[in-house]
Amino acid sequence: DTGVSQNPRHKITKRGQNVTFRCDPISEHNRLYWYRQTLGQGPEFLTYFQNEAQLEKSRLLSDRFSAERPKGSFSTLEIQRTEQGDSAMYLCASSVPLSGGVTDTQYFGPGTRLTVL
Amino acid sequence: AQSVTQLGSHVSVSEGALVLLRCNYSSSVPPYLFWYVQYPNQGLQLLLKYTSAATLVKGINGFEAEFKKSETSFHLTKPSAHMSDAAEYFCAVSFSGNTGKLIFGQGTTLQVKP
Repeated sequence: DTGVSQNPRHKITKRGQNVTFRCDPISEHNRLYWYRQTLGQGPEFLTYFQNEAQLEKSRLLSDRFSAERPKGSFSTLEIQRTEQGDSAMYLCASSVPLSGGVTDTQYFGPGTRLTVL
Repeated sequence: AQSVTQLGSHVSVSEGALVLLRCNYSSSVPPYLFWYVQYPNQGLQLLLKYTSAATLVKGINGFEAEFKKSETSFHLTKPSAHMSDAAEYFCAVSFSGNTGKLIFGQGTTLQVKP
């Protein structure tokens, strides 16, 4: 168990450019989540995958944002035409759903810090 | 709507003193509650979680939290603070039957003075 990994750890880009982040979940974790954390705030939910299916998207996820999990393993989060307001830490988490309706425990990666100049 | 409120964005204690970080939730259905810790430039690490098995939950690093339904609270405590406890702490809530997404509070920065 190597934990959730995210790449890159830091990304600096100019306004208007596209960026893509990658998340590798813990092996055999079929749930994968993306959150965004701005300075001084708690993480906010962006989107969620069960295997390769994207089952929920937050209203925070504008049409400039797209996430994929093509084979149910790693996931990518792309931001097109970045804006300064996109500057944040982007966190990925993975989990295994528990039976009986008990909520699962999410394990977080180290995050990708995006700075838009 | 479900929400989480952490009272106090900054808490400062002396080394060896009691740590108390406050968390209140709002929910119309039974919640699952979590405390996570975040060290600078790192992701979130789970401290403990409440899943209705027991109201007093023990976690890692000597932390514990008590679920009080009547007060809609899930405060985090540690009897004796250590310098290494200095970090950002987040309370979060999730709900049975949903996707498992977490709703986080704003966070509390814990400062430990020598």
